[in-house]
Amino acid sequence: AQSVTQLDSHVSVSEGTPVLLRCNYSSSYSPSLFWYVQHPNKGLQLLLKYTSAATLVKGINGFEAEFKKSETSFHLTKPSAHMSDAAEYFCVVVLPHNFNKFYFGSGTKLNVKP
Amino acid sequence: GAVVSQHPSRVICKSGTSVKIECRSLDFQATTMFWYRQFPKQSLMLMATSNEGSKATYEQGVEKDKFLINHASLTLSTLTVTSAHPEDSSFYICSARGTGKNTGELFFGEGSRLTVL
Repeated sequence: AQSVTQLDSHVSVSEGTPVLLRCNYSSSYSPSLFWYVQHPNKGLQLLLKYTSAATLVKGINGFEAEFKKSETSFHLTKPSAHMSDAAEYFCVVVLPHNFNKFYFGSGTKLNVKP
Repeated sequence: GAVVSQHPSRVICKSGTSVKIECRSLDFQATTMFWYRQFPKQSLMLMATSNEGSKATYEQGVEKDKFLINHASLTLSTLTVTSAHPEDSSFYICSARGTGKNTGELFFGEGSRLTVL
């Protein structure tokens, strides 16, 4: 079986402090992993993706994520939160033998306090 | 990256009427598009996979006759909510799988907020 777990449904940080959004997956295969961001009443925008190249992936808006196979994790981080980062974040897993099947995490709502 | 356009962004309709939502890939051809439904404060639920020139593949529990999907060209897929009822009110999002250097990546539309009165 394969699944994606976002451990925190809500994360609250102060502006200027680091952000950590956690994602763990379970898969028998080497997956592709994505982080998407969704602002209210909007579609999803790709932040970054891992597709078996470098394990540390840099994305847009200062976000990055590290693929750790031993921990089956793909946590999203940012050194310094900005007010505009407040949104919903989704971790997504795609298996190599079925690019049509995207497994979405339950989402983490990031709140940034001034 | 590639662009997916979804229209309308908001629609309000009366119970019993049908509503069509369009999803277009603007700068690439998409043989496969996906339709999702998102309930408040929840993740995306895949409704169906739309394949150009063939019938859509629906997920378990999704009524084919209720949610009609047509993918007549490589750049357009439509979702028609037939005989809409208030419980069909939701946020509907489409996505298309990228091609070329974007292969394996999903590009999402802006979503369509449907309110059925």
